[in-house]
Amino acid sequence: GENVEQHPSTLSVQEGDSAVIKCTYSDSASNYFPWYKQELGKRPQLIIDIRSNVGEKKDQRIAVTLNKTAKHFSLHITETQPEDSAVYFCAAPMGSQGNLIFGKGTKLSVKP
Amino acid sequence: GAVVSQHPSRVICKSGTSVKIECRSLDFQATTMFWYRQFPKKSLMLMATSNEGSKATYEQGVEKDKFLINHASLTLSTLTVTSAHPEDSSFYICSARILAGVPDTQYFGPGTRLTVL
Repeated sequence: GENVEQHPSTLSVQEGDSAVIKCTYSDSASNYFPWYKQELGKRPQLIIDIRSNVGEKKDQRIAVTLNKTAKHFSLHITETQPEDSAVYFCAAPMGSQGNLIFGKGTKLSVKP
Repeated sequence: GAVVSQHPSRVICKSGTSVKIECRSLDFQATTMFWYRQFPKKSLMLMATSNEGSKATYEQGVEKDKFLINHASLTLSTLTVTSAHPEDSSFYICSARILAGVPDTQYFGPGTRLTVL
């Protein structure tokens, strides 16, 4: 089955700096990779996703890169702001139903 | 679009009682809904996958007789925690996958915090 590893578990940056979170997956058949942001006590929110037919996708300050050969994908946040502080989860689908398996999360703290 | 609601948002119950949690997709049809459990400062643990009109598929280690799941329509799935005990206290979150369009995108409900006394 799918196994998703996420690093780092915590990340602290200064406002304005960039933040990078990395995930690896085990199932080479996986073809969809979303990133979710979860603020304390709230629901996970989809912030960006990528499919296996592209290597990079950008949405303003957020980008995701995918390396299918190495089976890893990364979330890049540029010009970080205090409101970016949250827990970020990567995920990859497993099995024929495409159930998402989540990484353990990265707690991002952006210091003003 | 792609709004998922969950009810109740918070419930406190006595040990031994049963609690039902509803998950609704408000503006789309969901062939598949998922139920997760999340412990404080931990990741989302998939409990079961619920397909409309068929039996739920439970993940290893999740008791199907304790966590009853029903997906009666394309917009509603329910999770019933039967004979709840304090160790069942947790944050339960559902998600729904859109019927048409992007097949793997999941949208989450706001979660239900269950406290069993």
